[in-house]
Amino acid sequence: AQSVAQPEDQVNVAEGNPLTVKCTYSVSGNPYLFWYVQYPNRGLQFLLKYITGDNLVKGSYGFEAEFNKSQTSFHLKKPSALVSDSALYFCAVRGLTGGGNKLTFGTGTQLKVEL
Amino acid sequence: DGGITQSPKYLFRKEGQNVTLSCEQNLNHDAMYWYRQDPGQGLRLIYYSQIVNDFQKGDIAEGYSVSREKKESFPLTVTSAQKNPTAFYLCASSSGQQSYSNQPQHFGDGTRLSIL
Repeated sequence: AQSVAQPEDQVNVAEGNPLTVKCTYSVSGNPYLFWYVQYPNRGLQFLLKYITGDNLVKGSYGFEAEFNKSQTSFHLKKPSALVSDSALYFCAVRGLTGGGNKLTFGTGTQLKVEL
Repeated sequence: DGGITQSPKYLFRKEGQNVTLSCEQNLNHDAMYWYRQDPGQGLRLIYYSQIVNDFQKGDIAEGYSVSREKKESFPLTVTSAQKNPTAFYLCASSSGQQSYSNQPQHFGDGTRLSIL
């Protein structure tokens, strides 16, 4: 079975500082990995994905993520945080052996960016 | 603009009542999904459909039912058998009906269901 862990329920960062939201995964075979963001009472918005190739993936709103196969991690990063980045962030994985077209989501990390 | 529309935004269910949540997409996507979101638990898959007239149970299908009569529509019924229906329900769609599509899922803005 595939699974995702987001070890931090909340991350606090000062505006202008770099941010990291952690994600580790477990799947059989090679994974497809995704990051989504959710604002209050809204649906999830796609930020970026890793399929294959370069381990550093760039996405929307200045976010990027680094795929590390040996550590089975896919941490989300941004060089300089904005107050408007405050939201709930979800990591998701889709395995390529079984599981079909289904995503497995982590429990989410609340990011709070303060002035 | 293309997107996914969920209605209503808020819904209240009485004891013993079935309620239906609407999900419509104009993205021409083959696959559609229903998730349940509870605080601290992330998203859990209820049902999904990769093609019209076909759907599969997800991880928490008990107490729910779906239909997929049209490509654009994937309504979810929360039956009286679902004893704890209070949650935020999200509908999503993605392109590509093949099993291992790498396309992201696109989400609606959800329906919040509460018990009266």
